[in-house]
Amino acid sequence: AQKITQTQPGMFVQEKEAVTLDCTYDTSDQSYGLFWYKQPSSGEMIFLIYQGSYDEQNATEGRYSLNFQKARKSANLVISASQLGDSAMYFCAMREGGTGTASKLTFGTGTRLQVML
Amino acid sequence: NAGVTQTPKFRILKIGQSMTLQCAQDMNHNYMYWYRQDPGMGLKLIYYSVGAGITDKGEVPNGYNVSRSTTEDFPLRLELAAPSQTSVYFCASSYSSGYSGNTIYFGEGSWLTVV
Repeated sequence: AQKITQTQPGMFVQEKEAVTLDCTYDTSDQSYGLFWYKQPSSGEMIFLIYQGSYDEQNATEGRYSLNFQKARKSANLVISASQLGDSAMYFCAMREGGTGTASKLTFGTGTRLQVML
Repeated sequence: NAGVTQTPKFRILKIGQSMTLQCAQDMNHNYMYWYRQDPGMGLKLIYYSVGAGITDKGEVPNGYNVSRSTTEDFPLRLELAAPSQTSVYFCASSYSSGYSGNTIYFGEGSWLTVV
């Protein structure tokens, strides 16, 4: 069974608008972590944001925020005020096990975001 | 400030050849990982290590071997290369404890083509 599901293969957003990238996950662990990575066309993996399963507040990092709905098993990434440089592939990933365990990540298939003028 | 360094960046192999992808980190991380990324897909874990002398299989270990003789180095060996191993390979590392362990540092990737 797929553990991370990203249902949007591609998304378009106007510059300066906000965009939400969807991610749902499946795990029976009580302790887990959720990650979002950005992969530009150059290929490197850039860490954006992390949410622990016991974190009470949604994670935020600058223009990135994670809309964590534990009961629905969703961890959507919200990018506010999109910029042309945000055009990239975005991956949601999960680590089963809490902080301190090896980060054996399971990745989704990604969403390609294109920011338009 | 090197971080995670992978070599080579690009390589073309013939079917049946062997090679080693090198990975080194200078952050004194206990945990290290090898992932592969096939075209249009997310990354999949090949092997990982929680410390020198300790390695374990990930989701897709067949056709690969690893060793971890030092904290810094985690080479990935491909034996008898096959076209199915054409992929981009990422090495990564992380701390073993604390909230900072949630930051995983990736290398820039190694593009491997088997023909």
